[in-house]
Amino acid sequence: DIVMTQSPDSLAVSLGERATINCKSSQSVLSNSNNKNYLSWYQQKPGQPPKTLIYWASTRESGVPDRFSGSGSGTDFTLTISSLQAEDVAVYFCQQYYSGPITFGQGSRLEIK
Amino acid sequence: QLVQSGAEVKKSGASVKVSCKASGYTFTGYAIHWVRQAPGQSLEWMGCIRTGSGYTEYSQRFQDRVTIIRDTFASTAHMEMISLRSEDTAVYFCVRGNGPGSWLFDYWGQGTLVAVSS
Repeated sequence: DIVMTQSPDSLAVSLGERATINCKSSQSVLSNSNNKNYLSWYQQKPGQPPKTLIYWASTRESGVPDRFSGSGSGTDFTLTISSLQAEDVAVYFCQQYYSGPITFGQGSRLEIK
Repeated sequence: QLVQSGAEVKKSGASVKVSCKASGYTFTGYAIHWVRQAPGQSLEWMGCIRTGSGYTEYSQRFQDRVTIIRDTFASTAHMEMISLRSEDTAVYFCVRGNGPGSWLFDYWGQGTLVAVSS
């Protein structure tokens, strides 16, 4: 199984500042056939299902604000929130869908400083 | 939209069936996955079904206890788990894959709490 490890487990960022969450996979999730990274990011607020933010490592889901961006390739990925808003308080998960079973990171809790 | 069935309370050893009704799109054009989340924990993929063909794939961890089926006439997918134990207490989500056999998730159901007591 591909193990997904996120860092940090939790972070506190001031409103308007940048927030960065990292995700590392135990194996590459980059496909040689289509040059795509099979990596998604989700946001989960308390009592709600996760919401898809980013897929193919850097493609923003429709309706997701452009302050959210994804980057990285191979085994190392980053979710960046360029200017933190109060509504971004949530737990963020990365996920690989390159090979079965689909696996998720442990989650990173983002709070306001 | 994916609308799931209501919360369940079960005894250890019992079975549970959770439903996921799809609307607003062609049901057979998109896979349905099942993901669970134990209290305070991360997400765990259980398996999926290609709603057109009925072909299923399961995580080895759940292979022996979980069955996923679909009813194309009702645009509904079902996940049944047998031999429940307390560790199965979790919120169970259905999630749409963005193609017939896609593992790329787009829309999530609201979740169904399954509580297992000994």
